[in-house]
Amino acid sequence: AQTVTQSQPEMSVQEAETVTLSCTYDTSESDYYLFWYKQPPSRQMILVIRQEAYKQQNATENRFSVNFQKAAKSFSLKISDSQLGDAAMYFCAYRSGDDKIIFGKGTRLHILP
Amino acid sequence: EPEVTQTPSHQVTQMGQEVILRCVPISNHLYFYWYRQILGQKVEFLVSFYNNEISEKSEIFDDQFSVERPDGSNFTLKIRSTKLEDSAMYFCASSDRLAGVGGTDTQYFGPGTRLTVL
Repeated sequence: AQTVTQSQPEMSVQEAETVTLSCTYDTSESDYYLFWYKQPPSRQMILVIRQEAYKQQNATENRFSVNFQKAAKSFSLKISDSQLGDAAMYFCAYRSGDDKIIFGKGTRLHILP
Repeated sequence: EPEVTQTPSHQVTQMGQEVILRCVPISNHLYFYWYRQILGQKVEFLVSFYNNEISEKSEIFDDQFSVERPDGSNFTLKIRSTKLEDSAMYFCASSDRLAGVGGTDTQYFGPGTRLTVL
């Protein structure tokens, strides 16, 4: 069965600095998708970024980028120029061939003014 | 930008009562999902639904749960006899295509319904 592990329950970063959130996963599938979702205090799940496993190029969305290492099964999220609005719980997620999403336990990100 | 919507935002019910959580998926999406998140825990998959039938369901989705697409726009989750441990945030999601088939293959989530069972 697929698993997603986020080893950092909480992290803090100074406003305008860069922070990297770690995620590892385990799977025997070769074709899959990886996501980072953001959950602010409102508890809505907001898609931040997605990565197709067959693509070697790392996905980028404005200040958000990933470091996808398929062989190592690692999928970290880098947030550049951190803003107060980035404070949230961040979930790493794996989408399997049977179309269900498996989430990690999340990393709570604090932005320090 | 199209969004998944859910009603109500918060539902309080007595143990043993039936509840129906409602979702309106993004209009051109064909695949629908329910997830739940018990407070302080991770988000868990409940069920996926396509072409008016369940595609996949988890161990959590037992006989107390059912899903339905009663019309062309709504997607509902019914819990027949609620238990205290059903208290959670319930998220509906929709996507346009399965992974590997094409489209965006991304599940977009609604804002959630907070269910409190007393």
